[in-house]
Amino acid sequence: ETGVTQSPTHLIKTRGQQVTLRCSSQSGHNTVSWYQQALGQGPQFIFQYYREEENGRGNFPPRFSGLQFPNYSSELNVNALELDDSALYLCASSSPSGGKEQYFGPGTRLTVT
Amino acid sequence: QQQVKQSPQSLIVQKGGISIINCAYENTAFDYFPWYQQFPGKGPALLIAIRPDVSEKKEGRFTISFNKSAKQFSLHIMDSQPGDSATYFCAASARPSGGSNYKLTFGKGTLLTVNP
Repeated sequence: ETGVTQSPTHLIKTRGQQVTLRCSSQSGHNTVSWYQQALGQGPQFIFQYYREEENGRGNFPPRFSGLQFPNYSSELNVNALELDDSALYLCASSSPSGGKEQYFGPGTRLTVT
Repeated sequence: QQQVKQSPQSLIVQKGGISIINCAYENTAFDYFPWYQQFPGKGPALLIAIRPDVSEKKEGRFTISFNKSAKQFSLHIMDSQPGDSATYFCAASARPSGGSNYKLTFGKGTLLTVNP
């Protein structure tokens, strides 16, 4: 069974640029959630995708957007990057049986300069 | 508004000792309480979880105690080992409004150091 994978591992962008992060869910999992983890903090929920639609959103502005594909993989897009967007972005997948247990990938470390 | 409060921020324990991390929540809609372990440079790994209809759950050296009336829950790590040194996060999960799946609200984390 393959776990959650994310790419790239690290990324450096300049303020104002756009970025796309990718996530492949664990085998058999159809729900993907994205979290932002600032240094020294707990992860914060960005949004969740289920059946290729956004299914719940945290307190993040619209410049954070996402997609889910038919194979359940997902993308997180961030436009107009700000310095405060520097963080570890985590993807978590959960199973069709209710989604309570979420399994995280290793994350993408985004640095905005 | 921080919905899940975690303490202490950091904890140092001797090898073989008991590590105790506490969390408190406010939202009574929360119905699932997992603990995650995170090593530097890695994503959080699900350690153990409990539902509010159970007062205690034990898996190996890890035990969750849950007090529904006080809206508090805690993680106990028995016989703590240097390999347990990591950041531990409590979390709470509630069904999003209008949705069919859950999101996690995390505490701020506890950095555990187990000295040999």
